[in-house]
Amino acid sequence: NAGVTQTPKFQVLKTGQSMTLQCAQDMNHNSMYWYRQDPGMGLRLIYYSASEGTTDKGEVPNGYNVSRLNKREFSLRLESAAPSQTSVYFCASPPGGAYNEQFFGPGTRLTVL
Amino acid sequence: GNSVTQMEGPVTLSEEAFLTINCTYTATGYPSLFWYVQYPGEGLQLLLKATKADDKGSNKGFEATYRKETTSFHLEKGSVQVSDSAVYFCALSDMSGSEKLVFGKGMKLTVNP
Repeated sequence: NAGVTQTPKFQVLKTGQSMTLQCAQDMNHNSMYWYRQDPGMGLRLIYYSASEGTTDKGEVPNGYNVSRLNKREFSLRLESAAPSQTSVYFCASPPGGAYNEQFFGPGTRLTVL
Repeated sequence: GNSVTQMEGPVTLSEEAFLTINCTYTATGYPSLFWYVQYPGEGLQLLLKATKADDKGSNKGFEATYRKETTSFHLEKGSVQVSDSAVYFCALSDMSGSEKLVFGKGMKLTVNP
């Protein structure tokens, strides 16, 4: 039981390049989330998926797209990377129910030059 | 909207010192409250949680009490260790039904031997 996994761990892009960040969970949770972490900003929600087949915007969705491929996988795509998207990206998944805690993946550190 | 305000630091303490990290929140309704910890190079891990007023969450020697009257959830530990060096995030559950978490900006703690 790996929990939440993310690939890649590190990535360097040039401005304008595209890439997809992958996230998978093996906990049979319905919901999945993408956050970005920037120094002094805490974690900010990019997109989330409350169930398979649905996605919704979070606080900072501009420049990103997502796909909920199936119940296990939730990918985040940068179509044309910008230096402002240099950040650490975390995928998370809550078990649902009354407590609403979330389980986080190890993160992807992305640098856009 | 819902928000979390926490001490930002960075804070440096000597081993065995007492730790308090302040966290206050603004929310409609009665959210669940969380403390997450992020060790260097890793994702976020749930440290403790409280789901209703006057609940005390505790784990690994850390404690926090859900104070509705002061809208606070301060984190305390009586004697910190070098291994407690990490970034600490206070968070609350968004009560709109989406299971979103709202995070504070995080506080970096360094404990010296």
